[in-house]
Order: sequence, then C-alpha cells, then structure tokens
Amino acid sequence: RKEVEQDPGPFNVPEGATVAFNCTYSNSASQSFFWYRQDCRKEPKLLMSVYSSGNEDGRFTAQLNRASQYISLLIRDSKLSDSATYLCVRGNAGNMLTFGGGTRLMVKP
Amino acid sequence: EPEVTQTPSHQVTQMGQEVILRCVPISNHLYFYWYRQILGQKVEFLVSFYNNEISEKSEIFDDQFSVERPDGSNFTLKIRSTKLEDSAMYFCASKRDRDNQPQHFGDGTRLSIL
Repeated sequence: RKEVEQDPGPFNVPEGATVAFNCTYSNSASQSFFWYRQDCRKEPKLLMSVYSSGNEDGRFTAQLNRASQYISLLIRDSKLSDSATYLCVRGNAGNMLTFGGGTRLMVKP
Repeated sequence: EPEVTQTPSHQVTQMGQEVILRCVPISNHLYFYWYRQILGQKVEFLVSFYNNEISEKSEIFDDQFSVERPDGSNFTLKIRSTKLEDSAMYFCASKRDRDNQPQHFGDGTRLSIL
C-alpha cells in the first residue's frame, strides 16, 4: 500500500464551484500533515497545515481523521488561480516529509 | 518574506561527471532537507541535516550522494558520478525548529544528465 495515496484527477470544475480532495495514509505514527500546492514544474508551496480539530484558512478547509487515516481539503468558490496540483503530505517524527502523488485541479471560466 | 534560494536553476551534465547543487536556506532555520522529483513522479525525500550532520536519509541517498554545509549560509548536495536516472528537479527545504512546522522549499534545480 502506498504511504500517502491521492486520486490523481484531474478535477475539472467551473469557477465558483466547491471541490473536495481526499487523501489516505498508511503510517499511523505520522506526526504532522500538510497540504501543499504545486504549479507545473515549480516548487511545492505550503497551502496549509492540517490539525486534528480541523482548520480553515479563507476559502480552504482541511480535516484530519486519525482513526481512519484520512485527510481532506475543501476549496470553496474556486478561482482560476486555484488551478494546480494539490499535494497531500505527512511528516514523521524526524520531520521527513512523505508526499502523495498529487491531485490535479483545473478551474475553468 | 524570506526565501530558500537555489542555484543553478538548470544544470546540464555529462553522465559520470560530478555535480554540486547549492542552496541558501532561510537565515534563522536550523533543519535542512533535499528532495527530488523525477518528471511526472512524486516528490521524494533524500536527506535531512541538522547540527552539521545527517539526521535521516532515504534509500535513494546512496554513496554517490553527499551533503555539506561549508559555511554559515550554504547547504550543498553533491552527486559524485551522475547517472541518467539522476535527471530530476532537486528541491532544497528548510525549517526553523524540530516541531511540526512546515518546511519551506526553494524553487529547485533542474538537473539534466546526458
């Protein structure tokens, strides 16, 4: 089983839509979780950390379910500029990051 | 906002040659990392570095790879004898503390082995 698994997509949505991505991980000892976004051939950029209580940053909401080893990202009111690949990432105790393969989002006008 | 900077942005090297990729982490950060991303594949961890020594490394980081912090600002990745399969984007990352804060990534070096 892959350590961090994501649906590769692509998710094609119109502007203004709400879209949700899911991610599962296999290592129950994982310490920390993040969503990064990556534009084509660019570096990963932090979108948000993911906390057990769930957290929100503007149009973005992240949820973590440790019992099910499941993480989600919800994007409300999608913008054209949200088009990117969204990377689900977990960190271990040594802070090594393990990346999922990413979910590609395309927001259309 | 402080950034992690990497040079060069693109390196083309003949197979079997040595290559050094350079990174300047954010100035008050203490933990440093190298990752690579082969075209079309996921980002993979190579090595982490703290207090002038390697703290963790992956199976990819074999004897051909080494890291160094030669002075107070640079953090380098050396590949001694490059192979075709070393062609990838190499990302440097840093963070300030050992806690569960996120890592900040540089914009990468594209390494092409001919």
